[in-house]
Amino acid sequence: EDQVTQSPEALRLQEGESSSLNCSYTVSGLRGLFWYRQDPGKGPEFLFTLYSAGEEKEKERLKATLTKKESFLHITAPKPEDSATYLCAVQAGRGSTLGRLYFGRGTQLTVWP
Amino acid sequence: DAGVTQSPTHLIKTRGQQVTLRCSPKSGHDTVSWYQQALGQGPQFIFQYYEEEERQRGNFPDRFSGHQFPNYSSELNVNALLLGDSALYLCASSLGTSGSETQYFGPGTRLLVL
Repeated sequence: EDQVTQSPEALRLQEGESSSLNCSYTVSGLRGLFWYRQDPGKGPEFLFTLYSAGEEKEKERLKATLTKKESFLHITAPKPEDSATYLCAVQAGRGSTLGRLYFGRGTQLTVWP
Repeated sequence: DAGVTQSPTHLIKTRGQQVTLRCSPKSGHDTVSWYQQALGQGPQFIFQYYEEEERQRGNFPDRFSGHQFPNYSSELNVNALLLGDSALYLCASSLGTSGSETQYFGPGTRLLVL
């Protein structure tokens, strides 16, 4: 069964304190791994898509990396406005489930001044 | 560039009633997927529509049904509402069904069933 596990469930950082969020997955035929940011009561906001092991993407203070078993979202010198829930999702390559996203439960990040 | 829009933003219903949620995809997109997100959980896939047909379906009962119109907009219908149907309902749009396209989400509809 396809699974996505995110850790930690919650993370509190002081402003400027860098850290990483983890997303481990078990899926047959990975077609893509996606990171989203979600603010309370809002829809997920797209951040990155990664397609193959070794790929990296960067955007401002965020950097996403991918291996064959997991992905990391590195946050460098975070600011309070980075506080949100970060969701990881994968798309599998099998015909019967092609195109659907499997989500983890998310990591709730709080950055305090 | 207009993003994904959903209506209504909030809805309160009672058990046994029926509800219809609406979604307009991002400009240029032709595929719409619906997800249910319970509090503290990740979104769960309900179904996906492409070319006005249901192409994929998650593990949801037949009470959940949908439709896609020629202009690519979509509706999600839920019959015989249960308390457990209370959730944030998310619509996502994408281009094509290759299996690796990025899905962009709308703001969601918050449904409360009393």
